[in-house]
Amino acid sequence: EPEVTQTPSHQVTQMGQEVILRCVPISNHLYFYWYRQILGQKVEFLVSFYNNEISEKSEIFDDQFSVERPDGSNFTLKIRSTKLEDSAMYFCASSDQAGGPETQYFGPGTRLLVL
Amino acid sequence: AQSVAQPEDQVNVAEGNPLTVKCTYSVSGNPYLFWYVQYPNRGLQFLLKYITGDNLVKGSYGFEAEFNKSQTSFHLKKPSALVSDSALYFCAVRDSPSGGSYIPTFGRGTSLIVHP
Repeated sequence: EPEVTQTPSHQVTQMGQEVILRCVPISNHLYFYWYRQILGQKVEFLVSFYNNEISEKSEIFDDQFSVERPDGSNFTLKIRSTKLEDSAMYFCASSDQAGGPETQYFGPGTRLLVL
Repeated sequence: AQSVAQPEDQVNVAEGNPLTVKCTYSVSGNPYLFWYVQYPNRGLQFLLKYITGDNLVKGSYGFEAEFNKSQTSFHLKKPSALVSDSALYFCAVRDSPSGGSYIPTFGRGTSLIVHP
């Protein structure tokens, strides 16, 4: 069964540094998403992306965040200048149709720790 | 505004016993409700959903959930728990689509531990 993959599985960075989290969606999917979960808190929607554009974004997704599909297979989330509160598990998801989370396949997550 | 609450951080149950993982929600319109499971080092896996129709929804791995509009609840259930059911369970809700928005709200997750 095809899966969404994410790299790295864990990343530790210093506050103020830039990080790029990478995701490889399922190959025929066209809709891409990022979510995050701060430890002990709920999973939060960050952004959805389709046709090389952001479709929707939450209040969390401020100017420090950006997403890109640099090639035909990767989907990245960049945090320009990390803050302590960016420490979280970041989940990528992809889908072959527009819709809610029931249509999305999730990756295993990248655990980001900002020191 | 939409929200979801999973009041239990952890649920412990003996193998073979029935299990319930609780979820309550709040939406302004008609709710779309979901349950996901996350096994260690894996992504969230869709278990089941309620959109309309029968209040009792059956999903993967023998799980089911009951939609209760008056109590605004969508508890996850299984008649006989397996040790392999031990995982993190997430409830999610979104309002019926408005202007093409599909943004869901997830709960914090409940850790289910099934003891042999």
